[in-house]
Amino acid sequence: DAGITQSPRHKVTETGTPVTLRCHQTENHRYMYWYRQDPGHGLRLIHYSYGVKDTDKGEVSDGYSVSRSKTEDFLLTLESATSSQTSVYFCAISESLGDYGYTFGSGTRLTVV
Amino acid sequence: QKEVEQNSGPLSVPEGAIASLNCTYSDRGSQSFFWYRQYSGKSPELIMSIYSNGDKEDGRFTAQLNKASQYVSLLIRDSQPSDSATYLCAVRRYGQNFVFGPGTRLSVLP
Repeated sequence: DAGITQSPRHKVTETGTPVTLRCHQTENHRYMYWYRQDPGHGLRLIHYSYGVKDTDKGEVSDGYSVSRSKTEDFLLTLESATSSQTSVYFCAISESLGDYGYTFGSGTRLTVV
Repeated sequence: QKEVEQNSGPLSVPEGAIASLNCTYSDRGSQSFFWYRQYSGKSPELIMSIYSNGDKEDGRFTAQLNKASQYVSLLIRDSQPSDSATYLCAVRRYGQNFVFGPGTRLSVLP
């Protein structure tokens, strides 16, 4: 997706290992989000950021941490991956919390074995 | 009670027909309503937004909002096989994050 890239696109990791997913944007948007998408649950918010070093928890934040040291980068870390964290992870950006929709990245498919 | 509900489908319609997708929400303070389309294996893309009661048209798409009944719908006229996708409803109070529904899978049959 133009202006927002996620890496890696696919990853297989073992239970108990740390994993970091990266989201990079070139739109200079203030807000960045991490979602996970699972069948039957739709998109669920993990963490979001409203500025450099400003982050907050979403509805499914347990087991995840985030960091944002630059406007353009938002990192999601699974400290010790579990099989329940097997999912597709989407990063999204928006200009504000006003009447704007989100632009989503292409997603990262993570499998924890 | 889930905050945003959608029929998971699949909703099957013949090519050229009108597809009607519905979404209900529980937060009466919701002010912004969006529809996203997601093709299989792809990321969601924004297709429509609506903020006031009534209809909003954009090409073959019409979004309808009824705040009193707490539902928002998306109509797709002259449905094409390329419209086959999952449609996500997203709802937000001003200044807060979106809440997404689970999505409705639409299948347009040639």
